[in-house]
Amino acid sequence: TQLLEQSPQFLSIQEGENLTVYCNSSSVFSSLQWYRQEPGEGPVLLVTVVTGGEVKKLKRLTFQFGDARKDSSLHITAAQPGDTGLYLCAGARDKVIFGPGTSLSVIP
Amino acid sequence: NAGVTQTPKFQVLKTGQSMTLQCAQDMNHNSMYWYRQDPGMGLRLIYYSASEGTTDKGEVPNGYNVSRLNKREFSLRLESAAPSQTSVYFCASSRQANYGYTFGSGTRLTVV
Repeated sequence: TQLLEQSPQFLSIQEGENLTVYCNSSSVFSSLQWYRQEPGEGPVLLVTVVTGGEVKKLKRLTFQFGDARKDSSLHITAAQPGDTGLYLCAGARDKVIFGPGTSLSVIP
Repeated sequence: NAGVTQTPKFQVLKTGQSMTLQCAQDMNHNSMYWYRQDPGMGLRLIYYSASEGTTDKGEVPNGYNVSRLNKREFSLRLESAAPSQTSVYFCASSRQANYGYTFGSGTRLTVV
């Protein structure tokens, strides 16, 4: 069984702080996707990383795919209240599996 | 706006009732999916359709059926609803799963 773990499960920070959330597995994935989900809405794709060691930046968000393609991290610089939401990672092999998510709350 | 449209947004059913959740996408994607999302369980795949005319079971298919009506539409049917099927249901589509999904806004279903 393929499992994706995310940490931390919950995170509450002040506006302007930096944070990193992690996505880990014992399985190798062909790609790793990150989504953000706001209450009452479906997940929205933020980024897909496909190459081991790859780093992608999306404004204040930096995504990294581990060299062995088993793990990934999402770093947010100077968090804003609009970053609040559930962050999901998903690993793709023959199927796509989702992690349980990190619930982020950014307090103004 | 282009995307995935789900109906209804909310539904309350009595145990034993049946209903169909509708999903349509206008992005010309080949693959479509139905997930359920429960607290502490994450997103779990119910059924998927890799292409028009094919459907396959996912992780939690029991109690559900699906129909891929055409390339755009993929419906999920509950024949005899049970309280354990209380959940939020999401439809998604993709050109290629490896590159990510587009999700609908969900259907919140309560079975009493």
